[in-house]
Amino acid sequence: NAGVTQTPKFQVLKTGQSMTLQCAQDMNHNSMYWYRQDPGMGLRLIYYSASEGTTDKGEVPNGYNVSRLNKREFSLRLESAAPSQTSVYFCASRTGLAGGAGELFFGEGSRLTVL
Amino acid sequence: EDQVTQSPEALRLQEGESSSLNCSYTVSGLRGLFWYRQDPGKGPEFLFTLYSAGEEKEKERLKATLTKKESFLHITAPKPEDSATYLCAVQSGGSNYKLTFGKGTLLTVNP
Repeated sequence: NAGVTQTPKFQVLKTGQSMTLQCAQDMNHNSMYWYRQDPGMGLRLIYYSASEGTTDKGEVPNGYNVSRLNKREFSLRLESAAPSQTSVYFCASRTGLAGGAGELFFGEGSRLTVL
Repeated sequence: EDQVTQSPEALRLQEGESSSLNCSYTVSGLRGLFWYRQDPGKGPEFLFTLYSAGEEKEKERLKATLTKKESFLHITAPKPEDSATYLCAVQSGGSNYKLTFGKGTLLTVNP
């Protein structure tokens, strides 16, 4: 049981390049999330998808786009990368059952450096 | 706006030396408070969910407690393998899906 799988694990980009981070979960969860983690800032929500077919902005959505491809997959795209987007990106999922909190299950992270 | 403050930022213990980590929060109606453990280079791993004041949860050497303003993660007789960053997060009643995280406490347990 793989849980939440992110690819790639490491990436180096030049300013202005684009790329897509891929995330897939095999737990039949409804909700999926993209967070970024920076030293001294903690985890900040970029975008989330409460269910298949819906996406919403989090705290820091500028410079990013997302696609909920199906129930399993949720991708994060950087259209024109900037050095400020150097970070560790985490995808997470949860059951998202109505009325319940439910814990998040995280992937191992994608470490992105923008030069 | 929901806020979570964790203290201390870093804590160094000797093996067997018990202590507590603090998570203070401000939310408009708490739906759940979560504790996670994060090892270097890994994603956070879920530990506990607490829903209401007075609730307690235990797992091995860890015990989480909750009041109306804060949560504590008590670590009894820690071992070096308990070394990690511990994260606290809250979900408010106004949000079905969004969690707000604190910055974490880096715990180091020396043998």
